[in-house]
This record gives sequence, C-alpha cells and structure tokens, in this order.
Amino acid sequence: DQQVKQNSPSLSVQEGRISILNCDYTNSMFDYFLWYKKYPAEGPTFLISISSIKDKNEDGRFTVFLNKSAKHLSLHIVPSQPGDSAVYFCAASANSGNTPLVFGKGTRLSVIA
Amino acid sequence: SAVISQKPSRDICQRGTSLTIQCQVDSQVTMMFWYRQQPGQSLTLIATANQGSEATYESGFVIDKFPISRPNLTFSTLTVSNMSPEDSSIYLCSVEDQGGRTDTQYFGPGTRLTVL
Repeated sequence: DQQVKQNSPSLSVQEGRISILNCDYTNSMFDYFLWYKKYPAEGPTFLISISSIKDKNEDGRFTVFLNKSAKHLSLHIVPSQPGDSAVYFCAASANSGNTPLVFGKGTRLSVIA
Repeated sequence: SAVISQKPSRDICQRGTSLTIQCQVDSQVTMMFWYRQQPGQSLTLIATANQGSEATYESGFVIDKFPISRPNLTFSTLTVSNMSPEDSSIYLCSVEDQGGRTDTQYFGPGTRLTVL
C-alpha cells in the first residue's frame, strides 16, 4: 500500500517551458514534504521542501505547491533546462520528522533542447 | 551539506555470499540511515544506525540479514548476508540535515549490487 504516489513514471518537456511533477499522498499525518533529484549513478540530491503550514515554497526556478485538502503536491520547474533531466522523487514524513521518510517511485523528467 | 562516500560503488556477487558496504561522512552526524532501491521501486528504509546503540530496523528487515555497524559518528557499514538474486538493488546511506532534522536527509552515491 503506497502512501506516496507519483503516477507519472516519465515526463518530457521542451527546454524553456514549465515542468510540472505531481505527487499524491494518503497519510493525513504527513506534515513535511520533500523533493529529491537523482542523476544516474548518483544518490538522490535534496532539492526543496515544504511544511504543511505552508502552501507554497519557492527556490529559484523551483517551486513546490501543497494542497492539503487534496493530499497533493507538485513541483514546478521554470524555465526547464536540459540539466534538469533526472529522476525526481517525492518524499514525506510525519510527526515533524520523528518518523521515517516515505518515498514515491519517482518520475523521470527529460528536458529536450 | 555533508559529503558522503560509499564503497564499493558496484559489485556482482554469487548467491549465498555476503557483501559489506561502507559509508563514510566528512562530518560527525548522529543518525545515519540505510535504504534500498529495488529496480523500478521507490527508496525503502532498511534501518537507522545510531552510534553507540543497536540499529533500528524497519518492518520486513532483520538484523540477521542486514547487520549494521556504527563504530563512530562518521562511519557505518551495512552487510547483505546470504544473498539471493532478490537482493539485487541499489543500497544507499544517508545522514540527517546538519541542523538535526531527520526528515531532510542527504544521500551517498549508492552501491549497485547484482546477485547472480
């Protein structure tokens, strides 16, 4: 039973356009959400996070939106660059970090020049 | 963020053997974590390695299969014992955020294990 779901295994976007990666969760106790980026042969790299007390967090080209009522979050990358091509993992934790991170299966983003 | 290295980066092993994976961090951290990523699957936490105490294992993982050592605040090992092809995965160690948040973790490069 997956508590964090990334329903799109892959996504292709033109360079310069917006990339939107989606993530849904089922556990209403989750209160902290993270996005990680993973290149081949490397470990996941922390990208951006959001606490459940916010509905948006922005860092440069990356913005994460949280819709608690829908149990949905999304990562927006704008403008998309070829170097953004990677697998993106959504993760969540509950109880202000006192429970393990739960990861989605990832979405492979390809940014086409 | 901490710099984390893992050895080996990859290995191909025979069924029934064991492999020990090392994780080294460039700074002292309280908690280190070991994850597994099976092909096409998400990252799954195996155990939390605390210095000076027994590792805490997640449901479905046992110490006899995945013994863990944590001799100091910068190093940990994970052993995959009596391997079978189902153990073929990427094994990753991670550490918590330097501010102490265990829900923001930084990962090593991973060890890709193939069991024949």
